[in-house]
Amino acid sequence: DIQMTQSPSSLSASVGDRVTITCRASQFIRNDLSWYQQKPGKAPKRLIYSASSLPSGVPSRFSGSGSGTEFTLTISSLQPEDFATYYCLEYSGYPPTFGQGTKVEI
Amino acid sequence: EVQLVESGGGLVKPGGSLRLSCAASGFTFNTYIMNWVRQAPGKGLEWVSSITSTSSLTYYAASVQGRFTISRDNANNSLYLQMDSLRAEDTAVYFCARDRNFGLWGQGTLVTVSS
Repeated sequence: DIQMTQSPSSLSASVGDRVTITCRASQFIRNDLSWYQQKPGKAPKRLIYSASSLPSGVPSRFSGSGSGTEFTLTISSLQPEDFATYYCLEYSGYPPTFGQGTKVEI
Repeated sequence: EVQLVESGGGLVKPGGSLRLSCAASGFTFNTYIMNWVRQAPGKGLEWVSSITSTSSLTYYAASVQGRFTISRDNANNSLYLQMDSLRAEDTAVYFCARDRNFGLWGQGTLVTVSS
C-alpha cells in the first residue's frame, strides 16, 4: 500500500499569509492526487484534482503543484474562511490513501 | 441540484449490523465510481470501500474486508454499505463520495457502535 506523509500536521498563520502544505507519497503516483478542505462538522470539499487542476468555483488563491511523489498545496493569501483542516488523497490505485491532515489555525 | 445524501446511521451494539444508504441526484449516477469514506471522532479521513459504475468490481479496506459489503442500484440512483459484525472502532461519520478522485461528498451519517 502507498503511504502519504503530509506536513506540517498543524500551522499558525495570519490573514494574508502565504501557506504551503506538502504531501509525499511512498511510491510514484503520477499526478493522481487531490486536496480537500474540511471545516468542523462538515464534509470535505475538493480544492484540487490531478495534482494541479482547480475545479470550478474554487477560489484562485488555491493552487496545487507536483507530480510523482512530491506534492504541494499553496494558499497565496490566507482568508478568514480558509482556517480549516486540509487533506491530500492519492488515488492511483486501491487502496486510495489520505494524508494525516494539516490544521491551519490563527 | 447535484448532491449526495446519506442515511441509515445510528446506535448499534457490538456485533450488530447496519445498512447505510446514499441517494444521488442531479447527475448521471450510473457512470461514476462511488466510494465510502469514514472519519472517527477527532480523527482523519479513512477510505472504506469503492464500487465501479456497473458493480463489476468492488474494493475494501483491510479493516472492513469480510464484514462490510458495498453495493449500488443504478435504477434508483442509490449506493449502499451493509455493515456486519460491527466493532467499537467502526464508530465514525460515514461519507459517500463520487468518482475516482472523490469530487463530490455527502454530508455524512454517524454510526456509533457501543453497548
